[in-house]
Amino acid sequence: GNSVTQMEGPVTLSEEAFLTINCTYTATGYPSLFWYVQYPGEGLQLLLKATKADDKGSNKGFEATYRKETTSFHLEKGSVQVSDSAVYFCAEVTGNQFYFGTGTSLTVIP
Amino acid sequence: NAGVMQNPRHLVRRRGQEARLRCSPMKGHSHVYWYRQLPEEGLKFMVYLQKENIIDESGMPKERFSAEFPKEGPSILRIQQVVRGDSAAYFCASSRLLADTDTQYFGPGTRLTVL
Repeated sequence: GNSVTQMEGPVTLSEEAFLTINCTYTATGYPSLFWYVQYPGEGLQLLLKATKADDKGSNKGFEATYRKETTSFHLEKGSVQVSDSAVYFCAEVTGNQFYFGTGTSLTVIP
Repeated sequence: NAGVMQNPRHLVRRRGQEARLRCSPMKGHSHVYWYRQLPEEGLKFMVYLQKENIIDESGMPKERFSAEFPKEGPSILRIQQVVRGDSAAYFCASSRLLADTDTQYFGPGTRLTVL
């Protein structure tokens, strides 16, 4: 079945550092790809998405590019803030189902 | 425009009791999805429903778990005779259109603890 693999955490960065969280998927065809963020005690919030190859999703300084050739959708941010501390989930949707990665916990220290 | 609502936010049950989790989708959304998040794990799809229909329950355990989305009222995830392994966060999501054409919006989750 389909699966999503993302970089294991936890990840700890200093404020203003560069962030990359890797994500690859196994679905064939052209699934839609998503990054969700989960703050402590809350549900998942959509961070960004891309629906076709070479699309770039962006929001709040985060970016991810849909790379069909490498089946990847890596999340990047040029300068993280303490408020970015959360768990980040990569996901792809095929048909009716979302397939989520296991999540990457990010802690940003001042 | 209220988001997806779930209640209760926290639920404690003893082994053998029943747990009923409720989810009210966003206004205008007729597709509801239930996910389970076990400690230190990602979300696992359980079931996808439209009004009065179960569309895909391939992620649902075969026993003790059931879900419904009646014509009126919230969607209900029901767990009978709970066991400690059922302790998890259960998230509901809704979308206006099918999952592969529209974004899912998540509720805050219900954290179930089985003693």
